[in-house]
Amino acid sequence: ETGVTQTPRHLVMGMTNKKSLKCEQHLGHNAMYWYKQSAKKPLELMFVYSLEERVENNSVPSRFSPECPNSSHLFLHLHTLQPEDSALYLCASSQDTTDTQYFGPGTRLTVL
Amino acid sequence: AQSVSQHNHHVILSEAASLELGCNYSYGGTVNLFWYVQYPGQHLQLLLKYFSGDPLVKGIKGFEAEFIKSKFSFNLRKPSVQWSDTAEYFCAVKTGGFKTLFGAGTRLFVKA
Repeated sequence: ETGVTQTPRHLVMGMTNKKSLKCEQHLGHNAMYWYKQSAKKPLELMFVYSLEERVENNSVPSRFSPECPNSSHLFLHLHTLQPEDSALYLCASSQDTTDTQYFGPGTRLTVL
Repeated sequence: AQSVSQHNHHVILSEAASLELGCNYSYGGTVNLFWYVQYPGQHLQLLLKYFSGDPLVKGIKGFEAEFIKSKFSFNLRKPSVQWSDTAEYFCAVKTGGFKTLFGAGTRLFVKA
């Protein structure tokens, strides 16, 4: 399944680093999402983009900054993260914001 | 607050046993309901969904789920599980707006 790809798959960063996560969907979808998956907790919706416009920002700290340059690409820019931000970050896309979401493999982020 | 509850975090069954995973949500309006599955080493993927119509929906691999509006429930069932059903199962509820709420997941292990 290569409908939604994410890079890198693993990332280790210090608290003062700046890094970016990349997501690309090859499904022609109009909506894209970032989720945070922590152990033993529900998936937490972070951001939703519809037609390249951010339509949901779920009270996410400003150290996470999303960017959607076009309908196929979604980035999550990271800076001055905290160790508690270590988690699996999942990207998803859907035809519209009501329908089935297709998930990427995730980026496993570790903040030291 | 809106939430999705999955009653069992871990379930262990023998092959051919019947499965029922509970899912309840707290939201009084119209919902779209989903069950997603994550097999070991694979992406989250759709198992089945309910938008409207017959409250008993069938998905892939012999799974089905029943929407009971009065109980705010969307339980997942399979009459006879197989070893290959070992996975983590997530209930998700799409409420008004752009949010999809996920449950914490249920890890199913099927003994061969």
